[in-house]
Amino acid sequence: DTEVTQTPKHLVMGMTNKKSLKCEQHMGHRAMYWYKQKAKKPPELMFVYSYEKLSINESVPSRFSPECPNSSLLNLHLHALQPEDSALYLCASSPSGRAQFFGPGTRLTVL
Amino acid sequence: AQKITQTQPGMFVQEKEAVTLDCTYDTSDQSYGLFWYKQPSSGEMIFLIYQGSYDEQNATEGRYSLNFQKARKSANLVISASQLGDSAMYFCAMREDGLRGGSEKLVFGKGTKLTVNP
Repeated sequence: DTEVTQTPKHLVMGMTNKKSLKCEQHMGHRAMYWYKQKAKKPPELMFVYSYEKLSINESVPSRFSPECPNSSLLNLHLHALQPEDSALYLCASSPSGRAQFFGPGTRLTVL
Repeated sequence: AQKITQTQPGMFVQEKEAVTLDCTYDTSDQSYGLFWYKQPSSGEMIFLIYQGSYDEQNATEGRYSLNFQKARKSANLVISASQLGDSAMYFCAMREDGLRGGSEKLVFGKGTKLTVNP
């Protein structure tokens, strides 16, 4: 299994909703990442987990809450988002010192 | 801070021809990695090719090759025999060494949109 999966593919939510994005990989990679990508822009790093511990938080607002329940799974919990948070959210994983492998992304729309 | 520059917002190429996408980088690190990713309109970032700073040979992966010129700090992607399916956004990226083992940050350029014409 050489892929990163993300669910859901599309998500529409109101500003008062609570939702979660899910990412899964079974490649044994020890680092997992969340990125946010706005249209026509490069991905922006949000969080990095290494060996199931949060190692990098790029000053992301607290309405985004990451969670790594085990080495294969990464969640991003969303609460009280703003319309400007609408974007493509990409998950990635990597073995140490190698390329990051990305999932297909979740397109999020906040109304 | 590390920086990646892609100066071509858009490029056009005829099917079956070769095309070069430019990427220059700036870093004071001796050890670093350079990557190219392809992003079709569907959104997924597809890893294409990797070049390590100590690699003496230019990396190649099928129709993709990386023209690595360390002294000039450039890492251009060459796509040979372009196909219609190569139409996509292409990002050059550099690896920053992570704070902990196994977690490296990628710094991305702004991307080049490639259009392959039939």
